[in-house]
Amino acid sequence: ETGVTQTPRHLVMGMTNKKSLKCEQHLGHNAMYWYKQSAKKPLELMFVYSLEERVENNSVPSRFSPECPNSSHLFLHLHTLQPEDSALYLCASSQEVELIASNIDYNSPLHFGNGTRLTVT
Amino acid sequence: AQKITQTQPGMFVQEKEAVTLDCTYDTSDPSYGLFWYKQPSSGEMIFLIYQGSYDQQNATEGRYSLNFQKARKSANLVISASQLGDSAMYFCAMRLPSGDTGRRALTFGSGTRLQVQP
Repeated sequence: ETGVTQTPRHLVMGMTNKKSLKCEQHLGHNAMYWYKQSAKKPLELMFVYSLEERVENNSVPSRFSPECPNSSHLFLHLHTLQPEDSALYLCASSQEVELIASNIDYNSPLHFGNGTRLTVT
Repeated sequence: AQKITQTQPGMFVQEKEAVTLDCTYDTSDPSYGLFWYKQPSSGEMIFLIYQGSYDQQNATEGRYSLNFQKARKSANLVISASQLGDSAMYFCAMRLPSGDTGRRALTFGSGTRLQVQP
């Protein structure tokens, strides 16, 4: 397999369920991302794992919990979600080149998976 | 904070004609990268083209070219000889090199839906 693979492609869950989204990248990249895409809204960055640093968007509720066990795998653990969490969840990876003094090379594109279409009922 | 604006929610173009999708950006950083992505109905975000803030020439990739006007902070995507398969959402995005990791991730515009008509 090549590229960025996300599973499952579709997920329907109740508000009391616990589920996990999985992402795997086969590109040898060292950074991974979770984005949320809701209808009629720009893509929203949720979490970043880059060069052994994790960053999260402070507006993301605690019912979303990321896990990055290694540079090739990324999970998004979901629990007690709300209907407004229904969206397309996109995983991405990139190769980060650290320059000097915490600056990185900004010309690396992100490579995305096909996304998981999540419906919360 | 950096910001990307795409003012065209939807565009129509005839097959084989050229189309320009608008993108303006706002940042106080002198160094940045601008990207265009295509998102078909399948959901995957496909990287199309990149322009660096210090690049002297406009980027080109096959039928895609970027009309980069730095003073106006615009980075419009031009698709030449449109094909039916070009029908999709198109997103403009920006990356910054410095600061916290969150700022270095891609910031996206709201997108333009392009429909190519036969």
